[in-house]
Amino acid sequence: DGGITQSPKYLFRKEGQNVTLSCEQNLNHDAMYWYRQDPGQGLRLIYYSQIVNDFQKGDIAEGYSVSREKKESFPLTVTSAQKNPTAFYLCASSGLDTMNTEAFFGQGTRLTVV
Amino acid sequence: AQKVTQAQTEISVVEKEDVTLDCVYETRDTTYYLFWYKQPPSGELVFLIRRNSFDEQNEISGRYSWNFQKSTSSFNFTITASQVVDSAVYFCALSIPYNTDKLIFGTGTRLQVFP
Repeated sequence: DGGITQSPKYLFRKEGQNVTLSCEQNLNHDAMYWYRQDPGQGLRLIYYSQIVNDFQKGDIAEGYSVSREKKESFPLTVTSAQKNPTAFYLCASSGLDTMNTEAFFGQGTRLTVV
Repeated sequence: AQKVTQAQTEISVVEKEDVTLDCVYETRDTTYYLFWYKQPPSGELVFLIRRNSFDEQNEISGRYSWNFQKSTSSFNFTITASQVVDSAVYFCALSIPYNTDKLIFGTGTRLQVFP
């Protein structure tokens, strides 16, 4: 089955630690995205990538880093510089042509700082 | 700049009632896409519909219908004869093709359907 897989589903982080959230897709999509969801604030874009080895900052990139070494994978690292990392993180992918702009989402990772 | 506004934070209805979720968008681009996504308690966003800016025809899919009006920059979503399984958070979103294609989301409307 084609789709997007995020792991882990739940993640706990201690203060000062870096953690990496995994996102893999087998839809052959060029573009991949990371969103953060907080209660009452909808989804906000962290980073996005339209091609391998290239990525761009979104609206709230501070304290996060990404890599895009393979088309299928777009991991997100939440660094210790992110002051309030507790949130629900969603990864998405989409094609870049006008007939294929629907984005597919993973099931999300809930990150909690303990 | 682009923006999506969902003014209704939360709506509660009783089963079988009709309910309309409002969405107002802002963009200066003439070509754009509008979307609705459903987020059930499991968390995953489920795609419901995509509409491009050149197609103002209303669409109906079962109990769901969408009313796109460029004159008022609105893309409202109506659920007819609501069911408990419709309870979720619904997001309206906007994307501009050839400009990252990133989705710009509204803040969502939480719909609770009571039996």
